[in-house]
Amino acid sequence: NAGVTQTPKFQVLKTGQSMTLQCAQDMNHEYMSWYRQDPGMGLRLIHYSVGAGITDQGEVPNGYNVSRSTTEDFPLRLLSAAPSQTSVYFCASSQGFSGGYGYTFGSGTRLTVV
Amino acid sequence: GNSVTQMEGPVTLSEEAFLTINCTYTATGYPSLFWYVQYPGEGLQLLLKATKADDKGSNKGFEATYRKETTSFHLEKGSVQVSDSAVYFCALYSSASKIIFGSGTRLSIRP
Repeated sequence: NAGVTQTPKFQVLKTGQSMTLQCAQDMNHEYMSWYRQDPGMGLRLIHYSVGAGITDQGEVPNGYNVSRSTTEDFPLRLLSAAPSQTSVYFCASSQGFSGGYGYTFGSGTRLTVV
Repeated sequence: GNSVTQMEGPVTLSEEAFLTINCTYTATGYPSLFWYVQYPGEGLQLLLKATKADDKGSNKGFEATYRKETTSFHLEKGSVQVSDSAVYFCALYSSASKIIFGSGTRLSIRP
């Protein structure tokens, strides 16, 4: 059981480049989300999805796009990378939307924008 | 709005010491509360949870009790080990399918 798989693990981008961070889960979870982790700031929600075809913005959505065409995949797109997007990105999934369910996290993507 | 405040780190203890990491929250109603742990180079893992007032979550020797009267969910362990060295995050489930995380507390255990 792979859980939540994120690729790549590390990435260096030049300012203005675009890229897609991949996230896939094999647990048939309806809920998926993207967080970024910055020193001293905990995790901040970027975008989330409550099912295929449904996405919504979180706390820090600017500069990022998402789509959810299947239950399994939830890619995060950076359209024009900026140094402020240097961070560690985590994808997470959950089997339900109520408060009793915790998240399963991927191992993260460390992104550096130069 | 909803928020989580946890004690700043780093926290450094000797092996077999007693651990407390404080966490308080602000929320309407009765949110579910969580503790997550992050080991170096890894994603977050759910450590324990409590879904209603006075519930006690426990796992791997760690415990936390949901205290509605003090809006707290402090993490405790009676005897820490070197392998407990990690970053610990307190979190709460808010409305609209979102979990809000605290800023994290780094714990280091000396042999």
